[in-house]
Amino acid sequence: EDQVTQSPEALRLQEGESSSLNCSYTVSGLRGLFWYRQDPGKGPEFLFTLYSAGEEKEKERLKATLTKKESFLHITAPKPEDSATYLCAIGDSNYQLIWGAGTKLIIKP
Amino acid sequence: DAGITQSPRHKVTETGTPVTLRCHQTENHRYMYWYRQDPGHGLRLIHYSYGVKDTDKGEVSDGYSVSRSKTEDFLLTLESATSSQTSVYFCAIKDSVNNSPLHFGNGTRLTVT
Repeated sequence: EDQVTQSPEALRLQEGESSSLNCSYTVSGLRGLFWYRQDPGKGPEFLFTLYSAGEEKEKERLKATLTKKESFLHITAPKPEDSATYLCAIGDSNYQLIWGAGTKLIIKP
Repeated sequence: DAGITQSPRHKVTETGTPVTLRCHQTENHRYMYWYRQDPGHGLRLIHYSYGVKDTDKGEVSDGYSVSRSKTEDFLLTLESATSSQTSVYFCAIKDSVNNSPLHFGNGTRLTVT
């Protein structure tokens, strides 16, 4: 069964304290791994798509990486405005998305 | 922001009443989706559409119906609302490229009392 698990459920960091969020997955035919950011009361906002193991993408303080079993979202020197829930999703063989439950990231000043 | 508008943004209704949520897009995208989001769960697909009058069921479609009479509008109807349908509902759109990402509206918070 295709599934996505995100860890930790919640992460509290001090401003400037770098860390990583994990998205582990099982899928029979990966059609992309997607990262989204969601602010309270808003819809998810697209960040990255990764297609194959070894691929990396960066945007400001965020870098996403992909292996055959998991993806990491690395956050370098985070700021309070990086606080949000980060969602991971995989595209299955039918190009439908399967979503993780998210990691709530809190950056304290 | 992708041009997606959901209405209403908030709604409180009673058990057994019909409810319709609306999603309107200005991007002319082919695909439109309805998801629900509940604490502890990932987004779960209710129904989706791949063109005018072309719709299909997602993993949690029971108790919901949809209609798409125009490219820009996708309606989600709860025929007889139940408390288990209390949730936040998101509409998303996608263009025709297979691996292109979804873009979401800001959701409708529905409470069924």
